[in-house]
Amino acid sequence: AQKITQTQPGMFVQEKEAVTLDCTYDTSDQSYGLFWYKQPSSGEMIFLIYQGSYDEQNATEGRYSLNFQKARKSANLVISASQLGDSAMYFCAMRAGDTGRRALTFGSGTRLQVQP
Amino acid sequence: DAMVIQNPRYQVTQFGKPVTLSCSQTLNHNVMYWYQQKSSQAPKLLFHYYDKDFNNEADTPDNFQSRRPNTSFCFLDIRSPGLGDAAMYLCATTTGGLGTEAFFGQGTRLTVV
Repeated sequence: AQKITQTQPGMFVQEKEAVTLDCTYDTSDQSYGLFWYKQPSSGEMIFLIYQGSYDEQNATEGRYSLNFQKARKSANLVISASQLGDSAMYFCAMRAGDTGRRALTFGSGTRLQVQP
Repeated sequence: DAMVIQNPRYQVTQFGKPVTLSCSQTLNHNVMYWYQQKSSQAPKLLFHYYDKDFNNEADTPDNFQSRRPNTSFCFLDIRSPGLGDAAMYLCATTTGGLGTEAFFGQGTRLTVV
């Protein structure tokens, strides 16, 4: 079974500062993928960044980077230079398992509020 | 252009009256997911398809059924909706590859009266 844990229900950050959203995971599979999604109040899920279990480099996408520590089973999202439009729910998610049974499992989410 | 389309965006149904939500995709993806998301909670996976292979989550109530007649379409049937089934229902698609992102529709918000 797969499990994603996000321990920060809510976070505040000042505009233009960096913020780290925590995510830990648990799986018995050796191959897995880790994802971060953003969900604004409008409800759509927006893909942000991906990290594969065998990737040696931390993933980066613009202002988003993923701090991947495999031994600690953590995949924290770092948002640099926060903007007001970054205020949203952020979900960490994982896919693992055999090809036909790769469920995408989400954590409980972190609500980020960016303050001017 | 939208690649994953859910209809309707808003659905009001009566307690106990069967309702069907639909999802279509133009991406030709193998995998389709149905999630239930209640207010301020994580999306909860109900079931997913890999092609025609159906995978039901162990805690998905029997009240929820799904059909996938072809690659492009997938339906969520709620046989007897209860007040607790009011939620946002999200459909998503992806390929079978481990690292490919899932593309989400805009969701159907279900209200049960």
